[in-house]
Amino acid sequence: KNEVEQSPQNLTAQEGEFITINCSYSVGISALHWLQQHPGGGIVSLFMLSSGKKKHGRLIATINIQEKHSSLHITASHPRDSAVYICAVEDFFYGGSQGNLIFGKGTKLSVKP
Amino acid sequence: NAGVTQTPKFQVLKTGQSMTLQCAQDMNHEYMSWYRQDPGMGLRLIHYSVGAGITDQGEVPNGYNVSRSTTEDFPLRLLSAAPSQTSVYFCASSIQGIGGYTFGSGTRLTVV
Repeated sequence: KNEVEQSPQNLTAQEGEFITINCSYSVGISALHWLQQHPGGGIVSLFMLSSGKKKHGRLIATINIQEKHSSLHITASHPRDSAVYICAVEDFFYGGSQGNLIFGKGTKLSVKP
Repeated sequence: NAGVTQTPKFQVLKTGQSMTLQCAQDMNHEYMSWYRQDPGMGLRLIHYSVGAGITDQGEVPNGYNVSRSTTEDFPLRLLSAAPSQTSVYFCASSIQGIGGYTFGSGTRLTVV
């Protein structure tokens, strides 16, 4: 069983639609990250969260620690949002050492004009 | 402020050859890590370091060596390349325990 599951795997939307990408995990975590990978391959960090909700522009990320679930929402989607969105959980760190990331397989989003 | 710099961007190797993938960051991040990305799979951790002189294995360390002599540099060495190491490699750094990750632009490696 994969430790980090994302759904859907692929998503096609029309410009302007509200988009939701889901992430479920099965391990204890210290934080959850949402990343964006552009068609050119570069990876950008969008959010790091350990509780509640964060918002940046048209992107909103939420996490429910009890249910081990996170969602990434995109409001008023635009073709430039087309990318692969990756959920990654950070396991607990001990003695001050950094937790390591465990990645989902990603959700490929395509927004049509 | 360059962030995380990875070189080269592309490389073709013959089976058995060795090479080093370079990774450098100028943000004074303690944590650095190497990942490989293969089709249909999530990124997987190869090796990581929590500071100069400290390295440890990740999920898929076989066939790779690392060292961390300075805070800035974290090279990944392939001692004897195999076709199974054909992949896209990413280096990343982070502020220990509290920050998001900064990724390099990736290295596309093909072993023939």
